[in-house]
Amino acid sequence: GAVVSQHPSWVICKSGTSVKIECRSLDFQATTMFWYRQFPKQSLMLMATSNEGSKATYEQGVEKDKFLINHASLTLSTLTVTSAHPEDSSFYICSARDIHLAGAYEQYFGPGTRLTVT
Amino acid sequence: DQQVKQNSPSLSVQEGRISILNCDYTNSMFDYFLWYKKYPAEGPTFLISISSIKDKNEDGRFTVFLNKSAKHLSLHIVPSQPGDSAVYFCAARPTGSARQLTFGSGTQLTVLP
Repeated sequence: GAVVSQHPSWVICKSGTSVKIECRSLDFQATTMFWYRQFPKQSLMLMATSNEGSKATYEQGVEKDKFLINHASLTLSTLTVTSAHPEDSSFYICSARDIHLAGAYEQYFGPGTRLTVT
Repeated sequence: DQQVKQNSPSLSVQEGRISILNCDYTNSMFDYFLWYKKYPAEGPTFLISISSIKDKNEDGRFTVFLNKSAKHLSLHIVPSQPGDSAVYFCAARPTGSARQLTFGSGTQLTVLP
């Protein structure tokens, strides 16, 4: 099956610094990648949809200047949390869609990144 | 407005018995429904899906039932195993080009040995 990786798997940073999270599709091309955030014991919240070569589309309430998304190639999207604060601490998950698959389960999820801001 | 709802945040089942996880939706413009399984500190993994034109799909121990008139779907796991303990998310895919999945809030299944 299709594999999506994320790096790092966990990161601790100080308040005010920026953190970059990478999402890679390892064995397929992904024209679209999605970034989700999950709070403890809550559902996945879609933050933004990232299309290769164009600007990301952010969901309502998500600050685009704080969560910078870059999707420069068909296999890589990055999420940068700028000027991180403790309230940004969360579990960030990306998913990718294979352009060659038309089936229902066309989103493949990465393993997630645990961000802790101290 | 939550379009996909999982009203039970948790469910405990004895090993060997059947686990039934429920999901309700409000939008008729979904063409596929999916179930994902998620372990702590991991991303969700796809489990099983069903097209809106079907009412049942079976894969091994997992069966998904769709009742369109009630806008309700359920995931049956039988027999349940301790390794099935995880959070199960119901998701729906809208028709059209956007195709972004809408997730329910998840149900924590605990299978007791």
